[in-house]
Amino acid sequence: SQELEQSPQSLIVQEGKNLTINCTSSKTLYGLYWYKQKYGEGLIFLMMLQKGGEEKSHEKITAKLDEKKQQSSLHITASQPSHAGIYLCGADKPGNTPLVFGKGTRLSVIA
Amino acid sequence: DADVTQTPRNRITKTGKRIMLECSQTKGHDRMYWYRQDPGLGLRLIYYSFDVKDINKGEISDGYSVSRQAQAKFSLSLESAIPNQTALYFCATSDPIRDPTYGYTFGSGTRLTVV
Repeated sequence: SQELEQSPQSLIVQEGKNLTINCTSSKTLYGLYWYKQKYGEGLIFLMMLQKGGEEKSHEKITAKLDEKKQQSSLHITASQPSHAGIYLCGADKPGNTPLVFGKGTRLSVIA
Repeated sequence: DADVTQTPRNRITKTGKRIMLECSQTKGHDRMYWYRQDPGLGLRLIYYSFDVKDINKGEISDGYSVSRQAQAKFSLSLESAIPNQTALYFCATSDPIRDPTYGYTFGSGTRLTVV
């Protein structure tokens, strides 16, 4: 079965610093989704990537799917306290089956 | 109103009690899902339904049951709650035809504590 490994598990950065979160799949990615969750709340959709080499940006958050389509990275530029939360990646699997999710990366941004 | 509404938002129940978590949506999506989230374990799929007549078990369905009462409603039941079912429960919807690049729309979650 497909598994998604996220790294790091948790991250503490100083406000204004850049950071990267990775999501690595055990199998080829057909569609990769990034979500953000504020602590104890629901998940908010950020971006979806499908094509190898694809890169998308939303405000100061950029996500990329590597050429081999087995890893995605999420990069935050000039982090702010509003970026704090849990970031989860989710992946489409072949066939008509639900998304599988990584375990999440907990981001804290300190002043 | 939220696109996906979960009730209750918080619930404390005793071991052995039956409890139902409800989910309703205004997205018009056919597909609905129940996940639970535990610290360090991420989101794990309990049950999912691709239309009103379709119910499928996920990876951790033991101890749970679901009912798809209508396209817009998908409820999750714990027949006899136990403490290790204490978790944050999420309902989600999707429509790969109408919203192919949006993935899932999640509710705000139900925090369930079994004592």
